[in-house]
Amino acid sequence: DADVTQTPRNRITKTGKRIMLECSQTKGHDRMYWYRQDPGLGLRLIYYSFDVKDINKGEISDGYSVSRQAQAKFSLSLESAIPNQTALYFCATSDKDTAVNGYTFGSGTRLTVV
Amino acid sequence: LAKTTQPVSMDSYEGQEVNITCSHNNIATNDYITWYQQFPSQGPRFIIQGYKTKVTNEVASLFIPADRKSSTLSLPRVSLSDTAVYYCLVGNQAGTALIFGKGTTLSVSS
Repeated sequence: DADVTQTPRNRITKTGKRIMLECSQTKGHDRMYWYRQDPGLGLRLIYYSFDVKDINKGEISDGYSVSRQAQAKFSLSLESAIPNQTALYFCATSDKDTAVNGYTFGSGTRLTVV
Repeated sequence: LAKTTQPVSMDSYEGQEVNITCSHNNIATNDYITWYQQFPSQGPRFIIQGYKTKVTNEVASLFIPADRKSSTLSLPRVSLSDTAVYYCLVGNQAGTALIFGKGTTLSVSS
């Protein structure tokens, strides 16, 4: 099994619908992150959590919310999806020595809002 | 967080050495430099990190000058499978999440 698992892998949803993307990890890491990737824009940070009771906004948090249900689970919600939220979404984890040991990324969720 | 600047794209041929330079003029004393590789439709993969001088692993080398205001990722004898986007990140473990820029798209041809 993958260290960081994202579900679903692909999703098509309609404008205005609520959708949740889920992430689970077996790394035992305290830190978890959600990034969004659009063509030509690199990865942009949406939200991050350094432990179960910690939630922080990233560069582009508007229109998104997150829940850290347990150390191993971090979900991203779009309360009312809009077409410009069509993107590739990545979950990542790290230990406290992020800058030295780096992130571990999931395989991504490709979301299309029509 | 230190801002990084890297070339948007680079082209190379198989067997050549590729050097990708990243500028980070406002790097802080306790910041580390890390590089990631991303293939299409996959998450980025951590490939190397360093603080100063030179670091080498089985994938790449990282050269950091004494002033640490830039760093160079060196890929020896690239192959077609090295075609990917390469990201340079600067930060430290005590701070906020690391910020990815737009990266450098490396295209390797035969």
